[in-house]
Amino acid sequence: EAGVTQFPSHSVIEKGQTVTLRCDPISGHDNLYWYRRVMGKEIKFLLHFVKESKQDESGMPNNRFLAERTGGTYSTLKVQPAELEDSGVYFCASSQDRGRMGLNYSNQPQHFGDGTRLSIL
Amino acid sequence: AQKVTQAQTEISVVEKEDVTLDCVYETRDTTYYLFWYKQPPSGELVFLIRRNSFDEQNEISGRYSWNFQKSTSSFNFTITASQVVDSAVYFCALSEGGSARQLTFGSGTQLTVLP
Repeated sequence: EAGVTQFPSHSVIEKGQTVTLRCDPISGHDNLYWYRRVMGKEIKFLLHFVKESKQDESGMPNNRFLAERTGGTYSTLKVQPAELEDSGVYFCASSQDRGRMGLNYSNQPQHFGDGTRLSIL
Repeated sequence: AQKVTQAQTEISVVEKEDVTLDCVYETRDTTYYLFWYKQPPSGELVFLIRRNSFDEQNEISGRYSWNFQKSTSSFNFTITASQVVDSAVYFCALSEGGSARQLTFGSGTQLTVLP
């Protein structure tokens, strides 16, 4: 089974440009998450999709960030225009939906991609 | 609000030593999940373990063991007979509630195992 894949692995752009990151979750995983780690700080939650719907976008820093998940499959995260403080590593994760069998199937582990290292010059 | 604290920023041990990584969490929920992830130098985050708040039984998996104590809000991770390949950043994380939710991460502990 293929894991979570992210593209590109590394992106270097200039301030003011646009960048789009892509995440392909594990097949069959309804939950998709975006996180980021800026230099020297903690990994922070950005948003959570359940299929194609945004379940929680409370972590999105501002309206320069736009996430989509067309058809509930892969997701993209666009930064437009990019600012210096956007530099960091962007992680995508996916997990199985909560099962119908009760508590044991809740809150399944999130499986992470390798991340995209974004550098804004 | 939920919070995870990993007070140890960096730890260095010599191969074959045992090492314990500390994790203390804060939450107001009675239902929550705790996780440990490993980030080797290659950069990916590798899932190690998940525990729910209703199960305080300690767990052992090979050289890895986890000690969950609700009384002290701690979920510590011990590596026995450490190896060089254990060198990585280890993250503790918390997720509140019983359904799929965001993870709140600690700041991570950089473990270096010297040969």
